[in-house]
Amino acid sequence: GENVEQHPSTLSVQEGDSAVIKCTYSDSASNYFPWYKQELGKRPQLIIDIRSNVGEKKDQRIAVTLNKTAKHFSLHITETQPEDSAVYFCAASGSSTLGRLYFGRGTQLTVWP
Amino acid sequence: GAVVSQHPSRVICKSGTSVKIECRSLDFQATTMFWYRQFPKKSLMLMATSNEGSKATYEQGVEKDKFLINHASLTLSTLTVTSAHPEDSSFYICSAKSFSMNTEAFFGQGTRLTVV
Repeated sequence: GENVEQHPSTLSVQEGDSAVIKCTYSDSASNYFPWYKQELGKRPQLIIDIRSNVGEKKDQRIAVTLNKTAKHFSLHITETQPEDSAVYFCAASGSSTLGRLYFGRGTQLTVWP
Repeated sequence: GAVVSQHPSRVICKSGTSVKIECRSLDFQATTMFWYRQFPKKSLMLMATSNEGSKATYEQGVEKDKFLINHASLTLSTLTVTSAHPEDSSFYICSAKSFSMNTEAFFGQGTRLTVV
């Protein structure tokens, strides 16, 4: 099955700095890689996703990069704000998993004002 | 985006009783629903995949007799925690997907189960 590793587990940055979270996956057949933001006690919210036919995708302050050869993908948040503080999860899925999402362990991001 | 509603949001039950959690897709037909369990400050652990009209597929290590899943219609899946024990206390969350939409799965708001 798919195995997703995520680093770091905690990340603290100063407001305005950039934050980078990295994930690796094991199943070369995976082709969909979403990132979720989860605030305490709430449901995960999709913030950005990327499919394996592209290498990079950007949405305002958030970007995701994908390296299929190395089987890793990263989330980049620029100009961080205190409201970006949350737990971020990466996930992977594909035809081999029949749409099932397998999540990384999560990264607790704290943005200090 | 599509809306997935999960009910109840919180439940407290006594050891030995069973608890049913519902997951509904409100504005689309969910061909597949997924059930996850999340421990405090931990990731979402996939428990099972529920396809409408067929038996659920459980992940390795998940007891299917303990966690009964029913997906009787394209808009409703239920998870029943049978003979609950304190170690079953957790945050349970569902997600629903329609393959015709070719988009991500949408999450319910989760159910905080406490077994006393």
